[in-house]
Amino acid sequence: AQSVTQPDIHITVSEGASLELRCNYSYGATPYLFWYVQSPGQGLQLLLKYFSGDTLVQGIKGFEAEFKRSQSSFNLRKPSVHWSDAAEYFCAVARRNNFNKFYFGSGTKLNVKP
Amino acid sequence: DTAVSQTPKYLVTQMGNDKSIKCEQNLGHDTMYWYKQDSKKFLKIMFSYNNKELIINETVPNRFSPKSPDKAHLNLHINSLELGDSAVYFCASSPDRGGNQPQHFGDGTRLSIL
Repeated sequence: AQSVTQPDIHITVSEGASLELRCNYSYGATPYLFWYVQSPGQGLQLLLKYFSGDTLVQGIKGFEAEFKRSQSSFNLRKPSVHWSDAAEYFCAVARRNNFNKFYFGSGTKLNVKP
Repeated sequence: DTAVSQTPKYLVTQMGNDKSIKCEQNLGHDTMYWYKQDSKKFLKIMFSYNNKELIINETVPNRFSPKSPDKAHLNLHINSLELGDSAVYFCASSPDRGGNQPQHFGDGTRLSIL
């Protein structure tokens, strides 16, 4: 069965520090990969996506993610975190030969210290 | 203009009641979804419609019945509400049902059962 793992439930970083949020998936083939951000009381906003090609993808708000096939990972990174980045981050995967059925990770809550 | 709008934003009701949540998207998308986010923030797909046709129907109690009068609307009706139905329900849409289509989310409906 498809599964998505975000091993870190909570992460706290200082403003200006770098950030990496981990995401691993289990699936035989390379799925479509997404990162979403959810601010309190809001819906999910797409940060970036990977379908094929260059394994380093750029997204909005200065985020990037790198797909590593050998590790079945799609980690999200940001070189310098801003206080407004405090939110919940979700990794999602969708199988390539299926309807657009997203499997979400359990989320990582990011706190930013001043 | 809100791309995916859900009403109501909050819904507080008694156990055993019947309630509906409405969703509308003005993006011209063909595919719409309902997700349930539990108290641990875990997001799970419930249903998906493509051009008014049901294409994803996860293991959801039959007290939950989606209805799509047209491709811009997907409503969720819940009969005989139970305590375990308390959650945030998200509507989403995507251009079509391909697995590579990012989904656009509404702001959610927080359902609380007393």
